[in-house]
Amino acid sequence: AQTVTQSQPEMSVQEAETVTLSCTYDTSESDYYLFWYKQPPSRQMILVIRQEAYKQQNATENRFSVNFQKAAKSFSLKISDSQLGDAAMYFCAVNTNAGKSTFGDGTTLTVKP
Amino acid sequence: GAGVSQTPSNKVTEKGKYVELRCDPISGHTALYWYRQSLGQGPEFLIYFQGTGAADDSGLPNDRFFAVRPEGSVSTLKIQRTERGDSAVYLCASSSDTGGGRSPLHFGNGTRLTVT
Repeated sequence: AQTVTQSQPEMSVQEAETVTLSCTYDTSESDYYLFWYKQPPSRQMILVIRQEAYKQQNATENRFSVNFQKAAKSFSLKISDSQLGDAAMYFCAVNTNAGKSTFGDGTTLTVKP
Repeated sequence: GAGVSQTPSNKVTEKGKYVELRCDPISGHTALYWYRQSLGQGPEFLIYFQGTGAADDSGLPNDRFFAVRPEGSVSTLKIQRTERGDSAVYLCASSSDTGGGRSPLHFGNGTRLTVT
């Protein structure tokens, strides 16, 4: 079984600034994948970024990047140059070869103009 | 192409009634998942199909919940004798994953179930 903990229920950031969302996880598997998903008020969850646990290099997607610390089981998301459209709930998830993803309880991000 | 489609988008039912929630995944996606999301919480796993068979149904809370995917495409989540505690958003997701876990989930908009 795996667990995912997001310790920040709410975060806020000024437009154009940088914010980091925290996530820690626990799994007994050696092979797994980590994901960040975004859920805007419209409800549909979409993928932000993915990290393979066997890769040491941190994943990046445009303004989004991760800080993956495998030994510490930490997987934080950094959003640079924050935009108003980044306001949403963000979920961290871990997926093993068993197939199902386990999600954290999310962080609500507010972007202030 | 089309994304994951869930119907209805909202469902209000009385306690004790039977409901069916439908999910139409992305064409060609062999993996299909049902999750339940309560307000302010993350999605909670219910069941995972690989093709027509339920590969993992360990998240179904009790025997009132059942899901099928008879032809390996559309899936229906069935809830018998609904209770007020069943009220939540039911999310369906599909992926091209064949068991390795590397593929991300593609979610539908969910069905908001309210049991009165």
